[in-house]
Amino acid sequence: GQQVMQIPQYQHVQEGEDFTTYCNSSTTLSNIQWYKQRPGGHPVFLIQLVKSGEVKKQKRLTFQFGEAKKNSSLHITATQTTDVGTYFCAGPYGGTSYGKLTFGQGTILTVHP
Amino acid sequence: DAGVIQSPRHEVTEMGQEVTLRCKPISGHDYLFWYRQTMMRGLELLIYFNNNVPIDDSGMPEDRFSAKMPNASFSTLKIQPSEPRDSAVYFCASTPRATGLSMNTEAFFGQGTRLTVV
Repeated sequence: GQQVMQIPQYQHVQEGEDFTTYCNSSTTLSNIQWYKQRPGGHPVFLIQLVKSGEVKKQKRLTFQFGEAKKNSSLHITATQTTDVGTYFCAGPYGGTSYGKLTFGQGTILTVHP
Repeated sequence: DAGVIQSPRHEVTEMGQEVTLRCKPISGHDYLFWYRQTMMRGLELLIYFNNNVPIDDSGMPEDRFSAKMPNASFSTLKIQPSEPRDSAVYFCASTPRATGLSMNTEAFFGQGTRLTVV
């Protein structure tokens, strides 16, 4: 079954509003990655988090890795229409710290101008 | 580097026919992944290779699916016979292994193959 759950599945926001997606793992992760997929496109790597409690920022995007390394979040401040797409978290499953890169179901973000 | 290259970009085939999807990973990458994406099931990992060796194929739906990696620069995913429920976008991705860190690094995805089985 699915080992990493993402919520919400869908999010509709007005341009300028904030957006957050959450990723929860059934097991402790050595690291977690985030990807963005534009409509009709392919997943593109955004960032990787490794340390417990780690927080990283990329312009309007803030990524957090939980203290227990079982959950993560992506927060977008003041969304823009260019933020539209599906955001995925991904982690290595299969008993090792690398290899079996498994994706969450993704959160589909729609931004209304 | 041109990135991960998949072919064909689109494939329409009739039920029962054999379908072969192709992937050329980025040179020097140790890992190659095959994913299937549908609205219902999201992005599913089908199989992955490390240094051309299949490591985990537990995501392969059934015996109709098979994957090979005869060398470091080429992999195929074959469906025989194909069924309408196989219709999906199939992605290939490759990633290097971060030296000394024992963890995955950034996965680079191909453009995908959109498969339609009628």
